[in-house]
Amino acid sequence: GAGVSQSPSNKVTEKGKDVELRCDPISGHTALYWYRQSLGQGLEFLIYFQGNSAPDKSGLPSDRFSAERTGGSVSTLTIQRTQQEDSAVYLCASSRSGGRETQYFGPGTRLLVL
Amino acid sequence: EDQVTQSPEALRLQEGESSSLNCSYTVSGLRGLFWYRQDPGKGPEFLFTLYSAGEEKEKERLKATLTKKESFLHITAPKPEDSATYLCAVHSLNDYKLSFGAGTTVTVRA
Repeated sequence: GAGVSQSPSNKVTEKGKDVELRCDPISGHTALYWYRQSLGQGLEFLIYFQGNSAPDKSGLPSDRFSAERTGGSVSTLTIQRTQQEDSAVYLCASSRSGGRETQYFGPGTRLLVL
Repeated sequence: EDQVTQSPEALRLQEGESSSLNCSYTVSGLRGLFWYRQDPGKGPEFLFTLYSAGEEKEKERLKATLTKKESFLHITAPKPEDSATYLCAVHSLNDYKLSFGAGTTVTVRA
């Protein structure tokens, strides 16, 4: 079946602009995660959605970052007033539920802030 | 806070030369330990989940093992197509997220 999809695959923006990154999870998966992978660093957790529950936003690095998930499926990660340090690969993952289920990752969006 | 340390950072192997990657972890309570493979420009691809000490999983030339403090990923008779970055992650009982190590980049020369 179809895996996790993300768009765009690449995004180049100017410092100070807002960007939106999209994630389509695997059909039927109720849990959705956003991670960030910066050069030379491991994957860093950003935010977690499970069904209709309030999201766990504990990993968001600043209030410029926000995310929503509509209808329990597609998610959008928004970065406002982008900074150069926001340049990274943003990865989305989904799992069947939020327990010990395996998280399956999408191909990522490569964001470059000039 | 959960911590995951992978070693070595990089590993260069000749085709057929078996080796092991290490993942040491500190976690308040282990829900699961995951191994992923990541190719350049792609997202992590799931390989294995291990839940309890003593557990082993195998897939083709890869075998993952787990103790109470570390996991090993053994690569037997590797081929050039096994070249990738291998990521280890832990999922603790108290959390939803995965905590990742920095990865081991494996290069297999023909």
